[in-house]
Amino acid sequence: NAGVTQTPKFRVLKTGQSMTLLCAQDMNHEYMYWYRQDPGMGLRLIHYSVGEGTTAKGEVPDGYNVSRLKKQNFLLGLESAAPSQTSVYFCASSYPTASGRHNEQFFGPGTRLTVL
Amino acid sequence: AQSVTQLDSQVPVFEEAPVELRCNYSSSVSVYLFWYVQYPNQGLQLLLKYLSGSTLVESINGFEAEFNKSQTSFHLRKPSVHISDTAEYFCAVSESGGSYIPTFGRGTSLIVHP
Repeated sequence: NAGVTQTPKFRVLKTGQSMTLLCAQDMNHEYMYWYRQDPGMGLRLIHYSVGEGTTAKGEVPDGYNVSRLKKQNFLLGLESAAPSQTSVYFCASSYPTASGRHNEQFFGPGTRLTVL
Repeated sequence: AQSVTQLDSQVPVFEEAPVELRCNYSSSVSVYLFWYVQYPNQGLQLLLKYLSGSTLVESINGFEAEFNKSQTSFHLRKPSVHISDTAEYFCAVSESGGSYIPTFGRGTSLIVHP
């Protein structure tokens, strides 16, 4: 199993350009998440999904959109990139506990994005 | 609402010395607790977790953490560290109320010196 994969690994954008980050998981997990990691800030949740066709906002959703058309994929879009979106982006997936809560998360290797 | 505080942003230690990375959380309901490790230029991976049962949980590489409900803490310990333990460590909490989405601390950088 590949686990969680992210495409691309690196990207440089100019301000105002758009792009889509792709996350794929082969573990049949219900839950998927997008985080950004910045120095000294830890991980901040951008958007998440608790099932195919459903998405919800996290802590820092502004400037991002997501879609989960298939259970195994979770896409993160930047419509008009800004330098403040320079970061490392991580995708993760998880499965519910017996009581329906979020269990341990499995992370992808990350995408390093620079916006000039 | 849940929150997580990792009290030390950086912990330098010599090889074979013991180490403790501190994690405190704020929640009034039952919680799940996690420690993740991130090696340079990699994603996070689970080190250990507490869901229920024994308050002392162990990882396969010698780390352990103890859930202390009265002190709302989940400190990570290792009796003897190796150079290879140099990494960023994140504590996360998920509470039973609300959206259940785990909240992460800001991380502690463990630096093991020879």
